[in-house]
Amino acid sequence: DAKTTQPPSMDCAEGRAANLPCNHSTISGNEYVYWYRQIHSQGPQYIIHGLKNNETNEMASLIITEDRKSSTLILPHATLRDTAVYYCIVRLGAQKLVFGQGTRLTINP
Amino acid sequence: GAGVSQTPSNKVTEKGKYVELRCDPISGHTALYWYRQSLGQGPEFLIYFQGTGAADDSGLPNDRFFAVRPEGSVSTLKIQRTERGDSAVYLCASMMGSLGGELFFGEGSRLTVL
Repeated sequence: DAKTTQPPSMDCAEGRAANLPCNHSTISGNEYVYWYRQIHSQGPQYIIHGLKNNETNEMASLIITEDRKSSTLILPHATLRDTAVYYCIVRLGAQKLVFGQGTRLTINP
Repeated sequence: GAGVSQTPSNKVTEKGKYVELRCDPISGHTALYWYRQSLGQGPEFLIYFQGTGAADDSGLPNDRFFAVRPEGSVSTLKIQRTERGDSAVYLCASMMGSLGGELFFGEGSRLTVL
């Protein structure tokens, strides 16, 4: 069973920051938070992951709360191509990724 | 190739037939994962290989499903006596090493059982 909770859908205006929340209140100390997205008819695409520090890469930023019970994925300047289902996953080591239902993000022109 | 390659991209078969789906991981990636995804759902884990051995096969739904990776590279997912409920997109992913990190997914094989 997925150990994360995400809103089923969100909307964001093109050019604005998209902030996607995720709750993972039962996360254990060694589990990482991963974010993937899936654009229609494609395989899932890795975005970012982190343990307890905030992380940033060319795609997004990941903000993890101090107690690690929740996190936020930030797409700083959303484009139409960012429309996708976004999955927040907690994972230990090389174990399987357990996908939930994700958040369907729609970027509006 | 640069990415994970899955063949065939589409497969239509009749109920009761045998099907094989192939996955070519990224060269040098020791970990390989199979998932399946039904319409409107997130990917569902099937099996994970580290090298040639199955490290976790807890997601295989029943004994009609079997996967092999004999040389630690290419993997084949085998489905016997297919049922209409097996219709889904079957996704393969590979990862370098055994400690975690990014999974690279292929585009999937769409299986339709009539």
